Amino acid sequence: GAVVSQHPSWVICKSGTSVKIECRSLDFQATTMFWYRQFPKQSLMLMATSNEGSKATYEQGVEKDKFLINHASLTLSTLTVTSAHPEDSSFYICSAGPGVGAGASVAGYTFGSGTRLTVV
Amino acid sequence: GENVEQHPSTLSVQEGDSAVIKCTYSDSASNYFPWYKQELGKRPQLIIDIRSNVGEKKDQRIAVTLNKTAKHFSLHITETQPEDSAVYFCAASRSEMRFGAGTRLTVKP
Repeated sequence: GAVVSQHPSWVICKSGTSVKIECRSLDFQATTMFWYRQFPKQSLMLMATSNEGSKATYEQGVEKDKFLINHASLTLSTLTVTSAHPEDSSFYICSAGPGVGAGASVAGYTFGSGTRLTVV
Repeated sequence: GENVEQHPSTLSVQEGDSAVIKCTYSDSASNYFPWYKQELGKRPQLIIDIRSNVGEKKDQRIAVTLNKTAKHFSLHITETQPEDSAVYFCAASRSEMRFGAGTRLTVKP
């Protein structure tokens, strides 16, 4: 079935540094990738939608210069948290879909395993 | 854009009882309604979904109903078990998927 590999699964970084999170669709082509953020005991909030080869569409209130999204290929999307601060500490998770290819999920959306970011 | 509301925020039931979680959505163009179960620190796991051309879907102890006219859909879990305890999220999607606030279900043995 459809698999999205997300790395790293957890990262601790110093305030002011940048962190890159990768999501790869392993057996299908993800034309669209969604990035979510989840604070403790809260729901998944959509941050941005990216389509391969074009600029990401950011949700209201999400700083595009702080959260850089690159979707350069049909199997890889990256989220870079620039100049991270403690308030950026959260669980970041990607979702690919709908996909195309033999491995694409019937359901259309496949989540990565998530990245827990802690900024100290 | 789409707005999804979910109720209740917490639900506690006795083992063997049924649990019902309800969601409403605002975008009449939404056509895909999945339900996810999320355990602490893990990714959401799809447990059941329904598309807008169907009114009800069942998978063993889990069922989902959809009322397109009223723009609401519900998750029904029968014969609950302690391992059903988790946070459940509904979502609505046309292209991007938006989630409800979540329901923390506790099944007491």
